[in-house]
Amino acid sequence: QVQLVQSGAEVKIPGASVKVSCKTSGYTFTMYSISWVRQAPGQGLEWMGRISPDTGQIIPAQSLHGRVSMTADTSTTTVFLELRSLTSGDTGVYYCARGGYADPFDVWGQGTLVTVS
Amino acid sequence: DIRMTQSPSTLSAFVGDRVTISCRASQRLGTWLAWYQQRPGKAPKLLIYKASTLQSGVPSRFSGSGSEKEFTLTIDGLQPDDFATYYCQPYNTLFPTFGQGTKLEI
Repeated sequence: QVQLVQSGAEVKIPGASVKVSCKTSGYTFTMYSISWVRQAPGQGLEWMGRISPDTGQIIPAQSLHGRVSMTADTSTTTVFLELRSLTSGDTGVYYCARGGYADPFDVWGQGTLVTVS
Repeated sequence: DIRMTQSPSTLSAFVGDRVTISCRASQRLGTWLAWYQQRPGKAPKLLIYKASTLQSGVPSRFSGSGSEKEFTLTIDGLQPDDFATYYCQPYNTLFPTFGQGTKLEI
């Protein structure tokens, strides 16, 4: 079955960068975009951006002000999210999800807790 | 960017009740709208897409309706597992921003 498995929890100091991975399986990797969504403690869902694994095209959320990058490794069917210049406001759970433009987010990773302190 | 406004923000109900959650978009969406359920400590789960199409495996007590700017999610016959937070989201847009969420409480 389709699965997205994310890397483990991270603790970072302000100003550092974090890289989260999302290992996919059970479907053709290049046929679906992967989106990233985060959730601050007690808050709602914030879309961060998406990547098309076939082309490598990235559409980031404007609110992240160029601090985010995403990559896709077709050899391992894994997508990576990197967020730079971390602040305490970046603390939260980060999710990857299969879906993008014209595709609902139908399968989600289990989430990765990122703590900036 | 498209702004999504859900109402109410919090909803109290009993097991067995019928409840409706509303979602209003700042731009016309056609039927390109999805609903998600999120239980505490868990990843969101897709319930409905294309405004009214039930995702595989989702119980039939969930239903969605609406188009363009006004959408609703209805749960008919609440079960204990349904007490969660629900989000709407447009997904035919460059920036698919979620609604702020509706928390359904017992």
